Amino acid sequence: EADIYQTPRYLVIGTGKKITLECSQTMGHDKMYWYQQDPGMELHLIHYSYGVNSTEKGDLSSESTVSRIRTEHFPLTLESARPSHTSQYLCASSESSSRKAFFGQGTRLTVV
Amino acid sequence: AQSVTQLGSHVSVSEGALVLLRCNYSSSVPPYLFWYVQYPNQGLQLLLKYTSAATLVKGINGFEAEFKKSETSFHLTKPSAHMSDAAEYFCAVSDPGANSKLTFGKGITLSVRP
Repeated sequence: EADIYQTPRYLVIGTGKKITLECSQTMGHDKMYWYQQDPGMELHLIHYSYGVNSTEKGDLSSESTVSRIRTEHFPLTLESARPSHTSQYLCASSESSSRKAFFGQGTRLTVV
Repeated sequence: AQSVTQLGSHVSVSEGALVLLRCNYSSSVPPYLFWYVQYPNQGLQLLLKYTSAATLVKGINGFEAEFKKSETSFHLTKPSAHMSDAAEYFCAVSDPGANSKLTFGKGITLSVRP
């Protein structure tokens, strides 16, 4: 079973607030990813990391930022939340050899 | 650049009927291919993966997929649908490069009628 955790599961927050979505994995994977997914829609890669101190922007432009100070931790931050940020955010990590990715349960963010 | 195409957004089958979910990929090199399933309000769970070994790959819950290089396809099948199979299914591709990304298709919603 995958050991990757996202908190919180659900978050309702007001416009203009700063938020950080947490993602941690205990599998020692170097690669980690953040995807954004609207209900019933495709996954869009917004950030990824190949290891500590490595972060790259994904295919979908996002106002969020990420950091990778420790292998197991890959938080995503929104400095000023807006209603357009309302979505589900999925974190994943993958094995370098098999490319097998493990996903967290997701954080459903609502900005009001 | 790698990409995945999943034609159609919704497939509906009767319980006990064959399930066929289509996936075509584009990649400049032989890729790794995956099928993931997503249940409501959950993350994604790996169903099966192709990594250049056998072309017919068996996964969990009775699903299997066949890699066809000539057709650049990796369609997912299950001989007999069960009500619990109702979910969203995503095909994904990753090229073998060390720093490759995992790219997903748009997903297909599978409904199973009693």
